[in-house]
Amino acid sequence: ETGVTQTPRHLVMGMTNKKSLKCEQHLGHNAMYWYKQSAKKPLELMFVYNFKEQTENNSVPSRFSPECPNSSHLFLHLHTLQPEDSALYLCASSPPRGAGDTQYFGPGTRLTVL
Amino acid sequence: TQLLEQSPQFLSIQEGENLTVYCNSSSVFSSLQWYRQEPGEGPVLLVTVVTGGEVKKLKRLTFQFGDARKDSSLHITAAQPGDTGLYLCAGAKNNAGNMLTFGGGTRLMVKP
Repeated sequence: ETGVTQTPRHLVMGMTNKKSLKCEQHLGHNAMYWYKQSAKKPLELMFVYNFKEQTENNSVPSRFSPECPNSSHLFLHLHTLQPEDSALYLCASSPPRGAGDTQYFGPGTRLTVL
Repeated sequence: TQLLEQSPQFLSIQEGENLTVYCNSSSVFSSLQWYRQEPGEGPVLLVTVVTGGEVKKLKRLTFQFGDARKDSSLHITAAQPGDTGLYLCAGAKNNAGNMLTFGGGTRLMVKP
């Protein structure tokens, strides 16, 4: 238990569906992240939020839409996905810069796009 | 092109053997972390090294940060099946805010 929870753990969706992934951290951190992990590629950073403000968008297609309503919650809204978007989506959080740089990961959401 | 190169990518060994995983870069990092990820779970932090030349031990695991802070190694002594997993190194830079650069990972399987 890392203090970062993600729901759902598994998600199967069609290409025309709209779904959302949720991440919640109970560590008092101010930075939150979305990563994509697929079998053929290493961890790919998607988005970074610091103090609820998006500070990094790593050229992610617009069919992925993040939302950070507060420092404890992070969402990833999905629509019109492609089969190649099937992957493990990991959320992470970290303390403010200078407090150790360590990121704490959730267990991930295994997404399958049919 | 990977900023952090991990080797080997895959390693399958017998219980009781020793192994070393390497994490190399041409860039200097302010700190470097090692994570282990088990199937169906997120990466879990094992250790953070900060000082060039630093050596940290975690039971049978020994982590070393290179003198120039460009590379790191993870040595496991007498590997156990419970060590099986994906080992990831990740580097932090002073000019990169709070972002980490991850290596491609080393997938380790320890057979009983």
